[in-house]
Formats: sequence, structure tokens, C-alpha cells
Amino acid sequence: ETGVTQTPRHLVMGMTNKKSLKCEQHLGHNAMYWYKQSAKKPLELMFVYNFKEQTENNSVPSRFSPECPNSSHLFLHLHTLQPEDSALYLCASSPGLERVGELFFGEGSRLTVL
Amino acid sequence: EDQVTQSPEALRLQEGESSSLNCSYTVSGLRGLFWYRQDPGKGPEFLFTLYSAGEEKEKERLKATLTKKESFLHITAPKPEDSATYLCAVQARDSNYQLIWGAGTKLIIKP
Repeated sequence: ETGVTQTPRHLVMGMTNKKSLKCEQHLGHNAMYWYKQSAKKPLELMFVYNFKEQTENNSVPSRFSPECPNSSHLFLHLHTLQPEDSALYLCASSPGLERVGELFFGEGSRLTVL
Repeated sequence: EDQVTQSPEALRLQEGESSSLNCSYTVSGLRGLFWYRQDPGKGPEFLFTLYSAGEEKEKERLKATLTKKESFLHITAPKPEDSATYLCAVQARDSNYQLIWGAGTKLIIKP
């Protein structure tokens, strides 16, 4: 138990579907992140939120839309995805941006796009 | 170009057989280097932070060291439960949020 919970753990969707991934952290951290992990590739940073304000959008396609209603919750809204978007999506948190390398990760949401 | 390279890609050891994993990095000034462990089906788990050459950190059977060009994760007398993928990441001095990640080393410890 890392203190970061992601749901759902597995998701299969068609290219025309709309779905959302949810992340909740119980650590009292101020910064939250979305990462993408593809097989045998390095982790890719997608979005960064600090005190629920977006501070980084790492050139992510608009078919991925993040939402951070408060410092404890983070969503990733998905629509019109492509098969190459199939990957493990990881949510992480840190006490603040000054400790961006000391991340607490959730177990991830495994996404398959058909 | 900033980059991180981990080697080997995979390593198979017998229980008790000590070895080292390598993380080579090229960045324009190092702010920090980080080691993580990732078990199958789970997210990465933070292990160590190293800031400057010569620094060492230890945790149980693991010891991380840092030079100006690379970091080593030494594993002493490993046990099967040490089997995992070990990830290395680097934060450059001019980066606020971005980490440069290696692709990882998959470590398998056979009983």
C-alpha cells in the first residue's frame, strides 16, 4: 500500500469510447503526476499538477485530458484514443515539486485500445 | 542530448551471487539521481536519492553509489524476493519537473 490508489486497474476501450482514469492519494502531498509506461520504454511524463494547478503539459495529445479538482484527486479523461495509446498509466505524488524525484506511485491502470 | 542508459537489460543470478547494475547518464549538470524498484503489475517504488559524486546510500542488501558519469546499484547476497525491474532516473539542474528515465534492468534471482 503506497498511499496512492488508481482505478480501474484494467480498462479495455474502443477507439470511439470515452473513459476516465482516477487517482487518489492519502499522503497529504501537494504535487501529482500522470506517467505513461510502455513495454521496454522509459517512463514518459504526461502532466504535472502542483496545488491542483497544472504546471506541465508534456506535449501530450489533446485526446488525453487531465483534471485535478483538489490536491488529493487526479483524473485522466480519455477520448478517441489510438491503439498505440495502449500502455500502463501511472499516477504518482510527491510532497512538492522540490522533491519531484521521490515519487509515490499507484499500481497503475492497464489500458488496452482496440 | 540528456539521456540515461541502464545495463544490462536483464540479469539472472543465483541466490547469494552478488552483482551490480549500471546507470550511465549524460546531463548538463546533475540535480539528483534516483533509483526505483518495480515489481510486475505494480508501480515503481522509490529506493534512493543521490546528489553528488562519491555519495553512497544503503538499504538492506542494496547499495547505490554515484560518480560524475554513472551510478551503480550493488546487490549483495541477493534473495529471490529481490527479483524486480530496477529503474534509474536523473533530474538535470535546469529542470523543474522533468526526470530522464532509463529503460530499466530486469533482475531475476533464482533460488
